[in-house]
Amino acid sequence: ELKVEQNPLFLSMQEGKNYTIYCNYSTTSDRLYWYRQDPGKSLESLFVLLSNGAVKQEGRLMASLDTKARLSTLHITAAVHDLSATYFCAVDEANNLFFGTGTRLTVIP
Amino acid sequence: DTAVSQTPKYLVTQMGNDKSIKCEQNLGHDTMYWYKQDSKKFLKIMFSYNNKELIINETVPNRFSPKSPDKAHLNLHINSLELGDSAVYFCASSHLSYEQYFGPGTRLTVT
Repeated sequence: ELKVEQNPLFLSMQEGKNYTIYCNYSTTSDRLYWYRQDPGKSLESLFVLLSNGAVKQEGRLMASLDTKARLSTLHITAAVHDLSATYFCAVDEANNLFFGTGTRLTVIP
Repeated sequence: DTAVSQTPKYLVTQMGNDKSIKCEQNLGHDTMYWYKQDSKKFLKIMFSYNNKELIINETVPNRFSPKSPDKAHLNLHINSLELGDSAVYFCASSHLSYEQYFGPGTRLTVT
């Protein structure tokens, strides 16, 4: 069975700091997505990574994909309180998304 | 303009009842999905439909059945509800194999 592991599960960081969330997966898929979920809300698409070496940036977030290592990272630069949310990676296997466990990020002023 | 909508947003019901959750998308997508998010926030695919044809059916109880009257709708019917069915159910849609867009979710509570 395909496994998608994220770490850390919980992340508390101060505003202005940098940090990286890791997503390891067990399949050979080269399609990976990052989603954000606010409490009680739906999932918002952040990044779509469709090939090895793909790197995408939006504001203070940057995502990358290394299909050989079966690893994706979500890097947070100079965190702000508005980034507090749960972040999920999801691996696409035959159009079926397999989600990681999620990383609950809290940014402290 | 709501891209993927679900009704109801909240559903509270007793064990043994039968209920349905409706999903509609106005994006012209050809594939729709149902996901379950449990109390620990873990998300798992349940079903997907492509052009009215079930193409993925994960190991969910047969009390759950997806029904798609047309390409824009994928409803989820649940028979004989159990306590363990309590969760948030998300509908999603996509065009071909591109990124999936999620609905607002339906929080189901079985008492």
